[in-house]
Amino acid sequence: RKEVEQDPGPFNVPEGATVAFNCTYSNSASQSFFWYRQDCRKEPKLLMSVYSSGNEDGRFTAQLNRASQYISLLIRDSKLSDSATYLCVVNGPTDTGRRALTFGSGTRLQVQP
Amino acid sequence: DAGVIQSPRHEVTEMGQEVTLRCKPISGHNSLFWYRQTMMRGLELLIYFNNNVPIDDSGMPEDRFSAKMPNASFSTLKIQPSEPRDSAVYFCASSLATTGSELTGELFFGEGSRLTVL
Repeated sequence: RKEVEQDPGPFNVPEGATVAFNCTYSNSASQSFFWYRQDCRKEPKLLMSVYSSGNEDGRFTAQLNRASQYISLLIRDSKLSDSATYLCVVNGPTDTGRRALTFGSGTRLQVQP
Repeated sequence: DAGVIQSPRHEVTEMGQEVTLRCKPISGHNSLFWYRQTMMRGLELLIYFNNNVPIDDSGMPEDRFSAKMPNASFSTLKIQPSEPRDSAVYFCASSLATTGSELTGELFFGEGSRLTVL
């Protein structure tokens, strides 16, 4: 079982749509959580941290459910420029005892005009 | 400000050849990471250093891979001998860990080195 699992997509949505991505992690001892964005053939970049109480940054809302070991990212009013792969990232001891950032395989979003 | 700098950006080599990838982290960052990205396996952590000391190299695939960080501003990842299955994008990233080797979460990635082994 992967330590961080995401639906690979692709999610094809029209401009202006609301889209949600989900992510589950396997280690209940994981301590912090993030969403990174990766454009095609580019490096990953931090999009936002995910806090226990949920947090919002403009059109982006991130939520964490520790009991279910589940993280979500909601994008409202999608723009063409939101087209990218969104990586769920978990920090903390892994199933093998490593302390590291573990990346999910990513969910690809394509926003269409 | 300069970000993480990696070289080469692209390398095509033949099986059996030695490959050396280079990384200059952001000045002042005390943690450095080498990741490998493929379509099949996504982003995998190979090794990370804190204050130039390797903390965890359990992600290094096998003995053909080695990494060094001789000083705070330079790291190398070497593959010898290279094999076609090593073809991937290799990313270096750096971070400022605020408490010993604790990871703060924001990694700054270089643009990557795209390796093709024929």
